[in-house]
Amino acid sequence: EIVLTQSPGTLSLSPGERATLSCRASQSVSSSYLAWYQEKPGQAPRLLIYGASSRATGIPDRFSGSGSGTDFTLTISRLEPEDFAVYYCQQYGSSLTFGGGTKVEIK
Amino acid sequence: QVQLVESGGGVVQPGRSLRLSCAASGFTFSSYAMHWVRQAPGKGLEWVAAISYDVSKKFYADSVKGRFTISRDNSENTLYLQMNSLRPEDTAVYYCSREARGLNAFDLWGQGTMVTVSA
Repeated sequence: EIVLTQSPGTLSLSPGERATLSCRASQSVSSSYLAWYQEKPGQAPRLLIYGASSRATGIPDRFSGSGSGTDFTLTISRLEPEDFAVYYCQQYGSSLTFGGGTKVEIK
Repeated sequence: QVQLVESGGGVVQPGRSLRLSCAASGFTFSSYAMHWVRQAPGKGLEWVAAISYDVSKKFYADSVKGRFTISRDNSENTLYLQMNSLRPEDTAVYYCSREARGLNAFDLWGQGTMVTVSA
């Protein structure tokens, strides 16, 4: 099973700042099989990025994904108030696993 | 309206069974692979099971293999999860989700149904 490790566990930032979230895989993951989700309290997760770098429908361009192999990154260029949430990476190559999540909180 | 609506959650004793349902609407259900994903209280997401669009393939997480069964009724646009021999560690919100075709990701999620396994 591929283990995804997300860091940091919590990111404390102010609106307008840049957020950089990391997702590291225990084995190489094809970029085609790496996705990112946003989850807010009481809501279902929302797909942000698929194929490591493609934005899902309706996702603002301040969200971007990058990376390959074992290291992937989600970047939020300028945090809006609605972006404070928990973010998960997911791989769908070898079985299907999620990372433990990164909470982006207001500083 | 494109949506997934789960039902069937509740409180159940260890060792007992429960069946979850997920009603799909607003899209061609029979064209999509479907999944169950769960989230224990205060924890992250855990994939549980998947079923292909035509029921020909089913996959399970090791943690539920042999105890849970995923199924679907394409004529009724409904996904199911039969959960047997429930354990306290199965306590979670259970989400059904749609696998976006060709994207290897989930583009539609239900609001979830809570399952609590407790004596």
